[in-house]
Amino acid sequence: QSALTQPASVSGSPGQSITISCTGTSSDVGGYNYVSWYQQHPGKAPKLMIYDVTNRPSGVSNRFSGSKSGNTASLTISGLQAEDEADYYCSSYTSSSTWVFGGGTKLTVL
Amino acid sequence: EVQLVESGGGLVQPGGSLRLSCAASGFTFSSYWMHWVRQAPGKGLVWVSRINRDGSSTGYGDSVKGRFTISRDNAKNTLYLQMDSLRAEDTAVYYCAREGIVATIDCWGQGTLVTVSS
Repeated sequence: QSALTQPASVSGSPGQSITISCTGTSSDVGGYNYVSWYQQHPGKAPKLMIYDVTNRPSGVSNRFSGSKSGNTASLTISGLQAEDEADYYCSSYTSSSTWVFGGGTKLTVL
Repeated sequence: EVQLVESGGGLVQPGGSLRLSCAASGFTFSSYWMHWVRQAPGKGLVWVSRINRDGSSTGYGDSVKGRFTISRDNAKNTLYLQMDSLRAEDTAVYYCAREGIVATIDCWGQGTLVTVSS
């Protein structure tokens, strides 16, 4: 159950777009369309931002979008805003009927 | 409003035991699979365990298998995590979470801190 691989940090200026990658294997990210993305502000619980690779829950801004190619999923945030500064985690269901998270990516809005 | 409220965290010595509880409200608890996820201080999220709707099926992460036991009481709308043989590396905030969408955790509690130290 190795963690999914995410970049430790990304940054962008307000109004710009950024993309966070999440790399797994054919036993998790590549094998299922059950990839989710979570936003976590310091001291707070995670919040679901994307599920099933591309779907946004009700209430989540359409500036957030998800995609997948092979064993790598991606989260794109367009029109960066100061409140987007947070940690972001990907997650995937696995062939072992377990779940695995990425190591997390710290987004800094410059 | 969906609410998940964890309790039972605290300081415990290595080798000790602790039972976490999670009180659910605002939804039909018995209709959902439930999970525990933990986060060590300054570290990332780690999936711990999950249980199906009636408690007949459970699953665990490799790091806790054989030491932790997940259970639920649908009459009390409560999820549990029995943690035995605790180690320093089990120190973390433990989150109770709902699987509201197939294979997706959609709601989280605020977490309870477990510290394993002598």
